[in-house]
Amino acid sequence: QSALTQPASVSGSPGQSVTISCTGTSSDVGTYNFVSWYQQFPGKAPKLIIYDVSKRPSGDSDRFSGSKSGNTASLTISGLQAEDEADYYCCSYAGSSTLVFGGGTKLTVL
Amino acid sequence: QLQLQESGPGLVKPSETLSLTCTVSGGSISSSSYYWVWIRQPPGKGLEWIGNIFYSGNIFYNPSLRSRVTISVDTSKNQFSLRLISVTAADTAVYYCARIQRAGTYYFDYWGQGTLVTVPS
Repeated sequence: QSALTQPASVSGSPGQSVTISCTGTSSDVGTYNFVSWYQQFPGKAPKLIIYDVSKRPSGDSDRFSGSKSGNTASLTISGLQAEDEADYYCCSYAGSSTLVFGGGTKLTVL
Repeated sequence: QLQLQESGPGLVKPSETLSLTCTVSGGSISSSSYYWVWIRQPPGKGLEWIGNIFYSGNIFYNPSLRSRVTISVDTSKNQFSLRLISVTAADTAVYYCARIQRAGTYYFDYWGQGTLVTVPS
């Protein structure tokens, strides 16, 4: 069970859109539509922002969207805001009630 | 509102056993819709899934930690626990407990605040 692959860092200016990729294998991302994304601020617990590839928790911002193609899932943040600066983690179901995380991506708002 | 709270020693000596408990309040741990999970995060690093437990006792571990980890549940206390034996400095991390939605999906919807456990080198 290997960690999913995310870029270490991405950046964008306010108002722009950024996309964070999350690459797994046919044993996890490629087979199951149970990819979730989490936002984490320093010293805080992660917060769910996307589940089941593209669903948003009720009441959450629609500036966050998710998608998947093959073994790669993606998180897109549109209309970038300074408050979006955080670490982002993907997670996939990997069968037999196991899960695997990505290595995390640090988003910098320029 | 569901709340999870980790508790346990913040400092564990090398080769000894790390023991943490997660107390669940505002909801029952005995639900078929959820798993209860431990996750850790070494300082400055990413998240690592440790393992899940169902209220009935079914347990699923990360293969990389399986030989050293035990997760258990106490439904009478609405708690679940983590034991990690033979710890080294590499086990220094913030340990989180969380809840997994598992009814036709899989994601972590509630998290504890996390507790830092340090194993000195």
